[in-house]
Amino acid sequence: GAVVSQHPSRVICKSGTSVKIECRSLDFQATTMFWYRQFPKQSLMLMATSNEGSKATYEQGVEKDKFLINHASLTLSTLTVTSAHPEDSSFYICSGGGSTLPGGYTFGSGTRLTVV
Amino acid sequence: KNEVEQSPQNLTAQEGEFITINCSYSVGISALHWLQQHPGGGIVSLFMLSSGKKKHGRLIATINIQEKHSSLHITASHPRDSAVYICAANTGNQFYFGTGTSLTVIP
Repeated sequence: GAVVSQHPSRVICKSGTSVKIECRSLDFQATTMFWYRQFPKQSLMLMATSNEGSKATYEQGVEKDKFLINHASLTLSTLTVTSAHPEDSSFYICSGGGSTLPGGYTFGSGTRLTVV
Repeated sequence: KNEVEQSPQNLTAQEGEFITINCSYSVGISALHWLQQHPGGGIVSLFMLSSGKKKHGRLIATINIQEKHSSLHITASHPRDSAVYICAANTGNQFYFGTGTSLTVIP
């Protein structure tokens, strides 16, 4: 089945540094990638939607200059958290879909980010 | 009102029990997903349904499109099934997530 590989699974970084999270679609072309964030004991919340080759669409309240999304190819999307702050500590998950997955999207396994 | 409602919110079961988690949604969907989230946070996609029923090992997922309802069943539950189970409705344009059901299976 379709697989999205997300790395790293856990990362700890210092305040002020940047962290890049990668999501790769392994056996399909992900024309669309969703990026989600999950705070403790809360549901997943959509941060942004990216389509291959175009700029990401960010949800209201999500700072596009802080959460940089790149979807330059059909198999790779990245989320970079810039100038990380302890408040950015959260669980980030991607979900990819494409024309070869009608009606279906597959989820990455998530990245737990801790900013110290 | 949330687009996706899950019940129960918390569930404790004895090992070996049959477990059912319910999901109701109010949006039109192209697919309904069941996700499993372990205490460390990692997400595993369990099922993607657009109709009928799917089975994988001890897990069974059903969906009734007319009633906009899906259930996840776990047969012969085991402590390693302890996790949060999340229902997600895919409209084709976006996902709506339930708040999750926290399952604890006691040996």
